[in-house]
Amino acid sequence: DTEVTQTPKHLVMGMTNKKSLKCEQHMGHRAMYWYKQKAKKPPELMFVYSYEKLSINESVPSRFSPECPNSSLLNLHLHALQPEDSALYLCASSRGQGSADTQYFGPGTRLTVL
Amino acid sequence: KQEVTQIPAALSVPEGENLVLNCSFTDSAIYNLQWFRQDPGKGLTSLLLIQSSQREQTSGRLNASLDKSSGRSTLYIAASQPGDSATYLCVGRGGGSNYKLTFGKGTLLTVNP
Repeated sequence: DTEVTQTPKHLVMGMTNKKSLKCEQHMGHRAMYWYKQKAKKPPELMFVYSYEKLSINESVPSRFSPECPNSSLLNLHLHALQPEDSALYLCASSRGQGSADTQYFGPGTRLTVL
Repeated sequence: KQEVTQIPAALSVPEGENLVLNCSFTDSAIYNLQWFRQDPGKGLTSLLLIQSSQREQTSGRLNASLDKSSGRSTLYIAASQPGDSATYLCVGRGGGSNYKLTFGKGTLLTVNP
């Protein structure tokens, strides 16, 4: 199974809402990532988790809060977002953070903030 | 700082044609280079990964090459099909603890039936 799943596929939320994005993998990977992708742009790294610990935060605003409750699951909690946060949010995982470790991407969650 | 450039930004070809997508990178200390495919509104699918010690990788109709000295990689697609239509991303990775992937802006490929 080389699949990374993400739910929901689409999410529409208001600026005062609290919502969460979920990512799951069962490949035994110990590194997981959140990326943000705006239309016609390449993905931008947001967070990296390694062995369930946050190892990298790319200066992401605190209205985005990641969580890794176990080695298979990665969440992204959203609160008080802005319309400019509307984007495709991609999750990825890899065996480790080594150079030979391919990142496997999920299908993404299309987020719209009204 | 690594920069990855892809040329052309868009390419339209008739079905059956062989084609080459180009990628250049500024830092030759690259650890590996990966080509991804992305369909509209979808996630990324890894096509080929070339380690810095390798010159090329092949998978089916796809062949990717890496020339570190010149800072270039190419993705060759043989006998293109309409199903190959997608955006192709070239992605470089630094070495050691440099976890970051540096993405090119992509080439939008359209294969016309």
